[in-house]
Amino acid sequence: AQKVTQAQTEISVVEKEDVTLDCVYETRDTTYYLFWYKQPPSGELVFLIRRNSFDEQNEISGRYSWNFQKSTSSFNFTITASQVVDSAVYFCAFTARDTGRRALTFGSGTRLQVQP
Amino acid sequence: EAQVTQNPRYLITVTGKKLTVTCSQNMNHEYMSWYRQDPGLGLRQIYYSMNVEVTDKGDVPEGYKVSRKEKRNFPLILESPSPNQTSLYFCASSSGTGGTGELFFGEGSRLTVL
Repeated sequence: AQKVTQAQTEISVVEKEDVTLDCVYETRDTTYYLFWYKQPPSGELVFLIRRNSFDEQNEISGRYSWNFQKSTSSFNFTITASQVVDSAVYFCAFTARDTGRRALTFGSGTRLQVQP
Repeated sequence: EAQVTQNPRYLITVTGKKLTVTCSQNMNHEYMSWYRQDPGLGLRQIYYSMNVEVTDKGDVPEGYKVSRKEKRNFPLILESPSPNQTSLYFCASSSGTGGTGELFFGEGSRLTVL
């Protein structure tokens, strides 16, 4: 069975600090996809990134970067120079390749509070 | 604008009173799904649909029904709501019949069952 663990329940930082959100997954599948979603206080889920299991290249998008390491089954997310607008709950999610249910298995989320 | 629209956004109801949460997407997506979000549990899939008239159970289907008569709509039906169905519900859609593309989520429907 698949499992996604976000061990950090809540993180509080001061604006301009860098912060890393951890995500560890468990699976026996060889082909799978990992995601990060952001849920701001308004409640909607905002897609941030998708990564497949064959692509271990790190990715950077502005202040956001992602570090995927198959050897440790981790897909960590770093925000550089955090801003108050980054305050949200962040979910890591996983799905194995299939043509059926296509369900995402979500972690329990990490609440990030960025203080001004 | 590409979007998934859910209604109502907020609802308070009483035990046993049937209700329907509507979901509509304007992206011509074949795949649609419902999730519920509960504190400490993340999001869990309730039902999904691969296409019109094709629906199946997710991880937590008990107490829910769905239908997919049209491609754009995927309503979630609670025939006899109970307090343990108090939750935040999300509808999602995705393109393609296979693979694992991005899921587009609606804004969520917060349901309280008294």
